[in-house]
Amino acid sequence: AQTVTQSQPEMSVQEAETVTLSCTYDTSENNYYLFWYKQPPSRQMILVIRQEAYKQQNATENRFSVNFQKAAKSFSLKISDSQLGDTAMYFCAFMKFGVTTDSWGKLQFGAGTQVVVTP
Amino acid sequence: EAQVTQNPRYLITVTGKKLTVTCSQNMNHEYMSWYRQDPGLGLRQIYYSMNVEVTDKGDVPEGYKVSRKEKRNFPLILESPSPNQTSLYFCASSPHGGSPYEQYFGPGTRLTVT
Repeated sequence: AQTVTQSQPEMSVQEAETVTLSCTYDTSENNYYLFWYKQPPSRQMILVIRQEAYKQQNATENRFSVNFQKAAKSFSLKISDSQLGDTAMYFCAFMKFGVTTDSWGKLQFGAGTQVVVTP
Repeated sequence: EAQVTQNPRYLITVTGKKLTVTCSQNMNHEYMSWYRQDPGLGLRQIYYSMNVEVTDKGDVPEGYKVSRKEKRNFPLILESPSPNQTSLYFCASSPHGGSPYEQYFGPGTRLTVT
C-alpha cells in the first residue's frame, strides 16, 4: 500500500515571501500521479498542481511549483510571492496510474500542512 | 455551471438513525467517489464507482453503503450511524473513467453523530 507523509503540520510565512512544503511517498509503482490540493477555510478541495511521474519536468502553475524527485520519492510544493488568500491546509496526494487490483482512482492523501500567511 | 453538489451540507444526528448524504454531478462523469476527512489522517476513500451499477470498496467502507443507479447520482448511506462516523465527507467525480486523475470535489458534508 502507498503511504504519503507530510512532516510539517503547520508553517507560517509572511506576505510576498516564499514557502516550501515537503511531501514524501512510498510506492513500488513506476507510473503514478502526484497532486497538491488546497483546502481553504471554506473546506472546498481545490487542485493546485498535478505531476505525472513519467514527466521529468517539474510542473508549475503561476506562483506554485513543485520539485519532483522520483528516485527520492519526494514531491515538494513551493509557493512564491505568498498572498493572504494562500492561507489554507495543503494536502499532498498520490494516485496509481490506470486500473489496479486494490483500487481505481483512489487518491491517497497525506495528513496535511496548515499554511498561514501573515501580513 | 459544472459542479458536484452534496446535500445536506451539515447534519447532526443520533446513533442508529439511518441517513443518506446525496451527491450529484452535472458533468456526465463516469467516475465518482466518496472520501471522509479526519484530523491528522487526511482524506480516505470510502467507496468508488466506475460507472452505473459498478461500485467497489475503498479503504474505509465499514458502516457505509452506496448505490449508482444513475450516472449523475452517487448517494452515501449510513444504515446505523455511530459516533466514530462523525467526520467531514466529500464526494468527487472524474470524466476519466480509465484513469481518473482529474477529480472534482463537492463542497463537503459535515456530519456529527451523537
